Amino acid sequence: DGGITQSPKYLFRKEGQNVTLSCEQNLNHDAMYWYRQDPGQGLRLIYYSQIVNDFQKGDIAEGYSVSREKKESFPLTVTSAQKNPTAFYLCASRLAGGDEQYFGPGTRLTVT
Amino acid sequence: AQSVTQPDIHITVSEGASLELRCNYSYGATPYLFWYVQSPGQGLQLLLKYFSGDTLVQGIKGFEAEFKRSQSSFNLRKPSVHWSDAAEYFCAVGLNKLTFGGGTRVLVKP
Repeated sequence: DGGITQSPKYLFRKEGQNVTLSCEQNLNHDAMYWYRQDPGQGLRLIYYSQIVNDFQKGDIAEGYSVSREKKESFPLTVTSAQKNPTAFYLCASRLAGGDEQYFGPGTRLTVT
Repeated sequence: AQSVTQPDIHITVSEGASLELRCNYSYGATPYLFWYVQSPGQGLQLLLKYFSGDTLVQGIKGFEAEFKRSQSSFNLRKPSVHWSDAAEYFCAVGLNKLTFGGGTRVLVKP
């Protein structure tokens, strides 16, 4: 079954620790995206990557970092510099030339 | 800059009644418009999309949306709501980069 996998579904961390969220896709999509979702604010774009070894900042990139070493993987690191990291994080992918973004099931990160 | 406004944060509708969710957008060119649905704690599923052509587009689960350029709107409708339609709905604009509205949470009364 083709799709997007995000793991784990729930993640708990102490304040001051970096944490990496996993996103893997087997759809052979070229572009991948990370969004943050907070209640009442919809989804906001953190980073996106249109090809391997290249990525661009989205609207709220501060305190986050990404890498795109493989086409199928786009991990997101939430660093200790992110002031309010507790949120629901969604990964998405899109085929080059395609129009629809496909979403993973999300990871809920809680930092205390 | 592109932006999307969904004026209604919550809507409560009786099962079997019609539903309309509002979406207004701002975009510099011909907009690529989407409606997604999200069940609690889940990812997003595409309901329908509009790029060009017929301004009334049909989607999955009996949903449709109408593009009105003069009003910069892309409202979502369903003639008869089922209990399983209770979810959060997001309107989005863009292509390489999507901009989402704040979402509308739909509650369905029996």
